[in-house]
Amino acid sequence: EVQLVESGGHLVQPGGSLRLSCAASGFTFSSYAMHWVRQAPGKGLEYVSAISSNGGSTYYANSVKGRFTISKDNSKNTLFLQMGSLRAEDMAVYYCARAGSSGAFDFWGQGTMVTVSS
Amino acid sequence: DIVMTQSPDSLAVSLGERATINCKSSQSVLYSSNNKNYLAWYQQKPGQPPKLLIYWASTRESGVPDRFSGSGSGTDFTLTISSLQAEDVAVYYCQQYYSSPSITFGQGTRLEIK
Repeated sequence: EVQLVESGGHLVQPGGSLRLSCAASGFTFSSYAMHWVRQAPGKGLEYVSAISSNGGSTYYANSVKGRFTISKDNSKNTLFLQMGSLRAEDMAVYYCARAGSSGAFDFWGQGTMVTVSS
Repeated sequence: DIVMTQSPDSLAVSLGERATINCKSSQSVLYSSNNKNYLAWYQQKPGQPPKLLIYWASTRESGVPDRFSGSGSGTDFTLTISSLQAEDVAVYYCQQYYSSPSITFGQGTRLEIK
């Protein structure tokens, strides 16, 4: 059974840093591109970042470029999102998602909440 | 970026009736090389992550009830629920992955029971 379990979200002050993790199981993690998508309270889905299956290529939405870093440890089946210079507008539930063979996101984690507030 | 615009923003339909949600992309998401539309539909219920319903614009994900169907090509797409059930109350999102990794979602359509 495919499982994605996010962790690391909590309350952080503006300007602070946070590292999110997404532990994957039930599939060959090294064969899949992975993504982060966020959802601010009461709002829609916002695409954040992507990483290729081998970790060699990354992509960031303009809203997080230069502040967030995505990485992937295929030996530990874990996806990461290092978040820095956090702003109030970064406050959201952060989901990791797997891109299936079609490219659509066929599995999602339950999400981890990041709160940015002083 | 490709902009995805859904209509309506919210929709109320009676149980057993048809529900239709539209999604328009600012440019075509049809790849001519394989004739596939890189368009997906997701369902999100309160407190849950999104769930993939449809990919390639019209291919139902495994386990998704056949009352859900997707149609359209190029820039205009539709998600149809043929006979609304109570458990279909949710927010529905379209997503283009044509310009992956620059992926974008529609703003969402809230579906309720009338």
